Amino acid sequence: DVVMTQSPLSLSVTLGQPASISCRSRHSLVHSSGNTYLNWFHQRPGQSPRRLIYKVSNRDSGVPDRFSGSGSGTDFTLKISGVEAEDVGVYYCMQGTHWPPTFGQGTKVEIK
Amino acid sequence: EVHLVESGGGLAQPGRSLRLSCAASGFSFGDYAMHWVRQPPGKGLEWVSALSWNSGSMGYADSVRGRFTISRDNAKNSLYLQMNSLRPEDTAMYFCAKDTALRDIIDLSDIDFWGQGTPVTVSS
Repeated sequence: DVVMTQSPLSLSVTLGQPASISCRSRHSLVHSSGNTYLNWFHQRPGQSPRRLIYKVSNRDSGVPDRFSGSGSGTDFTLKISGVEAEDVGVYYCMQGTHWPPTFGQGTKVEIK
Repeated sequence: EVHLVESGGGLAQPGRSLRLSCAASGFSFGDYAMHWVRQPPGKGLEWVSALSWNSGSMGYADSVRGRFTISRDNAKNSLYLQMNSLRPEDTAMYFCAKDTALRDIIDLSDIDFWGQGTPVTVSS
């Protein structure tokens, strides 16, 4: 299975300050179709995950533009330009290019 | 609006069975592959199983293969997970999740929407 490694695993951020989460794979996530199936999800306490970013850098409908995804191949990043209180929770990357799909360990974001 | 509602979770003894259901609405259910993903208490997400739009292709995590069976009824807009020979390590919240494509062959995945989950506890 493709192991997805997130860092850091925990992040304490002051309101309004930026945050960045890394997600790395040992294998390139570029599919034979040319697409890269790397998604980012946000899970608030007691809720189900919500997709924020799909195929590396595409923001889902309704997701604030303070969230952005970037990267290629094996190295990916989720950035929050200015953290707001509603952004607390756990962020997961997920690869769907290789079978079976796998998730990163999660990065817990809290407000300092 | 996509809506996925799981049910059927509960407490089961080791070795026993449970059947989870997922009722879908707000989209053309028969046009999409579907997944089950689980989350043990206080831990991360683990993909469990996936099924193509027409039930022609399916996949399982190694940890559940041979014990769990995924199925769907497109006429009823429903996804199922039959869980047999349950083990304590199967204890988790089980989420139903929608793929973005129908996937004739289950060899890649792209999940967008998730249900709220149904809890499963395996304990004597």
